[in-house]
Amino acid sequence: GQNIDQPTEMTATEGAIVQINCTYQTSGFNGLFWYQQHAGEAPTFLSYNVLDGLEEKGRFSSFLSRSKGYSYLLLKELQMKDSASYLCAVMDSNYQLIWGAGTKLIIKP
Amino acid sequence: GAVVSQHPSWVICKSGTSVKIECRSLDFQATTMFWYRQFPKQSLMLMATSNEGSKATYEQGVEKDKFLINHASLTLSTLTVTSAHPEDSSFYICSARVGDYGYTFGSGTRLTVV
Repeated sequence: GQNIDQPTEMTATEGAIVQINCTYQTSGFNGLFWYQQHAGEAPTFLSYNVLDGLEEKGRFSSFLSRSKGYSYLLLKELQMKDSASYLCAVMDSNYQLIWGAGTKLIIKP
Repeated sequence: GAVVSQHPSWVICKSGTSVKIECRSLDFQATTMFWYRQFPKQSLMLMATSNEGSKATYEQGVEKDKFLINHASLTLSTLTVTSAHPEDSSFYICSARVGDYGYTFGSGTRLTVV
């Protein structure tokens, strides 16, 4: 079966750094997405990785290791507005998105 | 950028009635539209995939006669929840594929059936 695992909830302090991990087992692989979703809103795109390595985009970075079926999203200089759920999704061999359950990130002052 | 406009944002309806949710691609042609449902504190669950001009493909366990999907044009896809019941209360989101690897989402519809 296809499976995406990520922690249910994480807590971090404003100004700090947090890493959200995602492991996956899917039928084929055509890339991994990270989305941010605030409560009651639709997901918004953060990153897309299809090759191994680190992609940096401002305060957010995403890492992928295809051999390990592993990715992480790194958030630096955390702000209160970063409190949200972060969804990991993998595009399988049929180009369908398989979604993780999301990680709720709580930022404390 | 590619934008999908979804309406209504929220709706409350009585049990037994039907509700239509619309998703319009504003500045691009959406050949494929994905319809998701999301219950509180859960991930997005794909309900069906619709392609313009053809019948939608429903995921296992999703009743096609209850969740009617119409994708009659390249800019409009609709989901109608027929004979809604309280257990259908959920957050419904549409998503369109943009290019080969991009996806854009509608703003979502919060459905409450009373």
